[in-house]
Amino acid sequence: KAGVTQTPRYLIKTRGQQVTLSCSPISGHRSVSWYQQTPGQGLQFLFEYFSETQRNKGNFPGRFSGRQFSNSRSEMNVSTLELGDSALYLCASSRPGLAGVRQETQYFGPGTRLLVL
Amino acid sequence: SQQGEEDPQALSIQEGENATMNCSYKTSINNLQWYRQNSGRGLVHLILIRSNEREKHSGRLRVTLDTSKKSSSLLITASRAADTASYFCATAPIDGFGNEKLTFGTGTRLTIIP
Repeated sequence: KAGVTQTPRYLIKTRGQQVTLSCSPISGHRSVSWYQQTPGQGLQFLFEYFSETQRNKGNFPGRFSGRQFSNSRSEMNVSTLELGDSALYLCASSRPGLAGVRQETQYFGPGTRLLVL
Repeated sequence: SQQGEEDPQALSIQEGENATMNCSYKTSINNLQWYRQNSGRGLVHLILIRSNEREKHSGRLRVTLDTSKKSSSLLITASRAADTASYFCATAPIDGFGNEKLTFGTGTRLTIIP
């Protein structure tokens, strides 16, 4: 099985612009979570999508948004970029669990490194 | 905010030695997981220990969990150069939302000296 893929791998933007990152989960995985990693704040949860619905959300401003498509692929968008948005953005997918049982292991993609100038 | 704090922040050991890193967390958890990250790449899941387990082994990895102290340790035995990486503990909330919302620790940077 192919792993989680993220595109693009590297991105340079300027302040005020917007950016869209893409994540393709492992085939059969329906949950996609997004994380931001910075040297100062570490790894922080952004949001999670399951069956095209946002199920969980972290403490990030509304400039950060996402969506999930019917094929489980997900995109996240950051509008009005700030210098502090420079980070490695990671997505992770997990399998659907049995009824009432959530899956435990998340599989991470290689990340998209965003630099905001 | 960070749920876990890892200790030490950085660790350098000779190849073949054992490496131990610790993680402390703040709230009640469903399970605790350890991940490895090589040079700013994606994370690789290493091992998961549930809140009702005290110790778990996987190959050269040994994880312990002490829920009374809200702490966990990861032991890597007979270290290899390929073990050089950052190691993170991650906790899953007990609020029933499952493990799709992991809270990560600050990480330990492990360097294995050949």
